[in-house]
Amino acid sequence: AQSVTQLDSHVSVSEGTPVLLRCNYSSSYSPSLFWYVQHPNKGLQLLLKYTSAATLVKGINGFEAEFKKSETSFHLTKPSAHMSDAAEYFCVVTPSAAGNKLTFGGGTRVLVKP
Amino acid sequence: DTAVSQTPKYLVTQMGNDKSIKCEQNLGHDTMYWYKQDSKKFLKIMFSYNNKELIINETVPNRFSPKSPDKAHLNLHINSLELGDSAVYFCASSQDTVQGANEQFFGPGTRLTVL
Repeated sequence: AQSVTQLDSHVSVSEGTPVLLRCNYSSSYSPSLFWYVQHPNKGLQLLLKYTSAATLVKGINGFEAEFKKSETSFHLTKPSAHMSDAAEYFCVVTPSAAGNKLTFGGGTRVLVKP
Repeated sequence: DTAVSQTPKYLVTQMGNDKSIKCEQNLGHDTMYWYKQDSKKFLKIMFSYNNKELIINETVPNRFSPKSPDKAHLNLHINSLELGDSAVYFCASSQDTVQGANEQFFGPGTRLTVL
């Protein structure tokens, strides 16, 4: 069984300040983890993924995430928020042994203030 | 050059009707999926097909029937539509490998509204 908890349903930041989106997971298997972004009325786009290689993963648009097995966490960060980062973000887990079945977290809506 | 496309983008219909949503991917992927996103943005997988074969079938009413005429297409047919079927439906595809999870590419979604 697997599950994902995104600890904040909403995050509000000022433009130019850091962004932190928190994600905890549970998985019976060694997991693969993803962050996806969904802009308003759009489909989902992959930001980054962890698949048992380096624990610090760099993604697109300046985002990065760190896999911490001891804490079962995969938090997403960006050092400086941009207005275009306003969107819904989803943390996703899948067991590496059966990589097709994604389990999504509840999402975190990011608001960026000018 | 849309990678995963869905039609229609919006679908408004009456309760009891039957409707279909079409999905096509031009990425050469082996596996395609249907997801449902509810009004609270929660996303849940419904079905997955690999090379036209059903491999994931979550707890979905029998009124929902996926059909895959070839590995580039996965359509979703819904019979006897109900108010609770109102949601955004996303199609996705991925390249299947034995080395764990691969990125799924999502379509733009179909917003279904049942009146």
